[in-house]
Parts: sequence; structure tokens; C-alpha cells
Amino acid sequence: DTAVSQTPKYLVTQMGNDKSIKCEQNLGHDTMYWYKQDSKKFLKIMFSYNNKELIINETVPNRFSPKSPDKAHLNLHINSLELGDSAVYFCASSQRRAEKLFFGSGTQLSVL
Amino acid sequence: GENVEQHPSTLSVQEGDSAVIKCTYSDSASNYFPWYKQELGKRPQLIIDIRSNVGEKKDQRIAVTLNKTAKHFSLHITETQPEDSAVYFCAAGNDKLIFGTGTRLQVFP
Repeated sequence: DTAVSQTPKYLVTQMGNDKSIKCEQNLGHDTMYWYKQDSKKFLKIMFSYNNKELIINETVPNRFSPKSPDKAHLNLHINSLELGDSAVYFCASSQRRAEKLFFGSGTQLSVL
Repeated sequence: GENVEQHPSTLSVQEGDSAVIKCTYSDSASNYFPWYKQELGKRPQLIIDIRSNVGEKKDQRIAVTLNKTAKHFSLHITETQPEDSAVYFCAAGNDKLIFGTGTRLQVFP
């Protein structure tokens, strides 16, 4: 059973489109995250939720909107996609904030 | 703002040799220092972590050392094997993890 699963694995879309990435964890963790990994492999935190409450909101364009319907799910919606949004997006979860993160397998987003 | 510097960016070693990766952090409030390994096309996975009240921790062939005064911490891999080849990330933080820029380790047989 996959601990942190995210869908889709690959997402190829045109500039200007709106897309969503879904994440679910079955570890019973309280905290979930979205990280962005660019082409140089830099891992940068975007958002963090603790028990459905937004606790970290980095300097991310407001075209990105996370949503946590319950503590096991954290989705990411992106409006008006731009070329620079192309990256791998990782969802992660942990029991304690920032400690022992379990990452999902990533969503490779390509904006054409 | 918070920053974590990591060196070297690439490291090539012969199988059996040791590898050392070093990180420096800026936020003195950081109290947790994990290391993640990311194989090609895979997810980052935690391999070892250390808290600020501990100076050194070892797990088989990997060890981490922390110098809180100098805000340095390092990953040591002994007796490297080809399967150790991956990108390694350090990170530092308390409520929020800041990742280093990664080190691509290649172990040649």
C-alpha cells in the first residue's frame, strides 16, 4: 500500500490552462506539504497544512491554491498555467511538523 | 531569510571510498537536521536525521555530525557502493524545513 499517493504522475498541458494535482496519505499524519522541484533539482516548500489548517504559505503566485478537505488529503489547483510552472511537484506528509517527511512519487508537470 | 548551503554540488568516488557532504545553515533557531536521498526519477527518502541536542549519529555506513556553534552539519558515507549513487539533500529547520541545493553522488565500481 502506497503511503503517500499523488495523481496524476505526468501532466502535459498548454499555457493558460487550469489543472489540479491530488494527494492522499494513509499514514494518519497530521501535516501535509507541497514541494516544488525545478529542473536544477532545488526542492522548495510551497504550502503546509496541519489538520486542514494552512500553516505555511511561501511566496507562491496566487494562481496556486491548495485545498485540504480532510487531514488525509491535500490537493493543489493551478490556474492560468505558465511555462515557468513546469517542474516536479511533490506532496509529502509527516506526523510532526517538518520532521521525517514521507514524499509522494511526484507529478511531472510540463507546460507547453 | 533562511538559507541552507550545500557542498559539493557533485561528488565522484570509487567504490569502497568514503564520501562527505557538508551543509551550512543560517537560522540559529533550526533544531532538526535531516538528510534525504533521491534516486533518479524517484521520491526523496529520509536516510538519517539529527537533533540539535546531539552532536553525532550513526546508522551502519552513514553518519551525521552537527556543529551548532558553527552552524555546520555533514553527512559521511563509508565503504560506498554503486547503489549509493543518488542526489543527497540536507535540510534544516524547526517548524519549516529548508532544503539544501543537493549533491549528486556517483560511485564508480
